[in-house]
Amino acid sequence: DAGITQSPRHKVTETGTPVTLRCHQTENHRYMYWYRQDPGHGLRLIHYSYGVKDTDKGEVSDGYSVSRSKTEDFLLTLESATSSQTSVYFCAISTGGLAGGPRRTDTQYFGPGTRLTVL
Amino acid sequence: GESVGLHLPTLSVQEGDNSIINCAYSNSASDYFIWYKQESGKGPQFIIDIRSNMDKRQGQRVTVLLNKTVKHLSLQIAATQPGDSAVYFCAENLYSGAGSYQLTFGKGTKLSVIP
Repeated sequence: DAGITQSPRHKVTETGTPVTLRCHQTENHRYMYWYRQDPGHGLRLIHYSYGVKDTDKGEVSDGYSVSRSKTEDFLLTLESATSSQTSVYFCAISTGGLAGGPRRTDTQYFGPGTRLTVL
Repeated sequence: GESVGLHLPTLSVQEGDNSIINCAYSNSASDYFIWYKQESGKGPQFIIDIRSNMDKRQGQRVTVLLNKTVKHLSLQIAATQPGDSAVYFCAENLYSGAGSYQLTFGKGTKLSVIP
């Protein structure tokens, strides 16, 4: 599991409330990612990080923000949750980037996921 | 549009038979592909990868075949077992133009193994 944990594993919240999901890794990987998984859409990238305080947007970043103040933690925040953000959220790390830039052959490994329900 | 897709959404296989899961891609510049397995309630798990300078790569009970001419790859599972029941995704790693590569996933094929 590449030493990845996610918390919480399940959460139910109401529309309009803020939500923060945490991804924690123990192996000092430089690259971390947040995906959401929905039926009929597969896995889609929300945001990613290529170092402490270095983040960038993915395919479906609207309504989400991220922060990475430590190598081991990557936080995903929904400032004001909406029902369309009901999904399963996965964090991933990449094995590359330990020296120099990313490589096409860097493999991503995923955490166990967080199931978020917005009522 | 989606670069990586799958031919069949579901596949049922008798235990002990071989399984073949297919995937098509549209970007001719794609040169690295990964197969993931996702069991119910869990995150995707890396199975095997292949680079475009290869036509075939074998792992333990799994083989990935790459046909660059028709932009198609397949995952073959030998002697399928009940524990192989899962959703299988192919993915390609594409340069994002922002100093990083991003995985693009197909929608997945659900493999069901009949005891």
